[in-house]
Amino acid sequence: GDSVTQMEGPVTLSEEAFLTINCTYTATGYPSLFWYVQYPGEGLQLLLKATKADDKGSNKGFEATYRKETTSFHLEKGSVQVSDSAVYFCALSDRGGFKTIFGAGTRLFVKA
Amino acid sequence: GAVVSQHPSWVICKSGTSVKIECRSLDFQATTMFWYRQFPKQSLMLMATSNEGSKATYEQGVEKDKFLINHASLTLSTLTVTSAHPEDSSFYICSARWTEADTQYFGPGTRLTVL
Repeated sequence: GDSVTQMEGPVTLSEEAFLTINCTYTATGYPSLFWYVQYPGEGLQLLLKATKADDKGSNKGFEATYRKETTSFHLEKGSVQVSDSAVYFCALSDRGGFKTIFGAGTRLFVKA
Repeated sequence: GAVVSQHPSWVICKSGTSVKIECRSLDFQATTMFWYRQFPKQSLMLMATSNEGSKATYEQGVEKDKFLINHASLTLSTLTVTSAHPEDSSFYICSARWTEADTQYFGPGTRLTVL
């Protein structure tokens, strides 16, 4: 079945460092891909999404490109801030958006 | 737009009692709502999917008599944890979508603690 694998955390970075969180997926068909962020004690917020191959999703300085050839959707940010400390979930859903499968989540700590 | 709320945000109850959690779509009609459970430092586990006016579809291993889901209107779904026990303590998150949407919109979650 469909699945999402993302790098284990926690990831600890200093402020202004470059961030990469790897995400690969296995899916039949052509899924949509998402990154969600969860701040402590809160629900999930959609960070960015891409719906087809070579699409780049971006938001708040974060970017991810839908790579069909490598079945990847890595999250990147050029300069992280303390406020980016959170758990990041990579996810995929079928075209209808009815079933979303989440990766295990990667916890990011950013030190001042 | 596309705001989903949950109530309560946290609840503490005694073992053996039942707890109801509400999920509301505030600015759209949610044709489908989803209920997830999240254990500490883990990912979300889909419990069930409900379409307005019909019975919920539960994922394998989720007890439908334990976790009662009602989706009575296009803006409200409820999850009732019946005869709660300490092992039911968890973070419960709902999400909702409308027919043409390609993503779900998540509520802020409800933290349930059963003593």
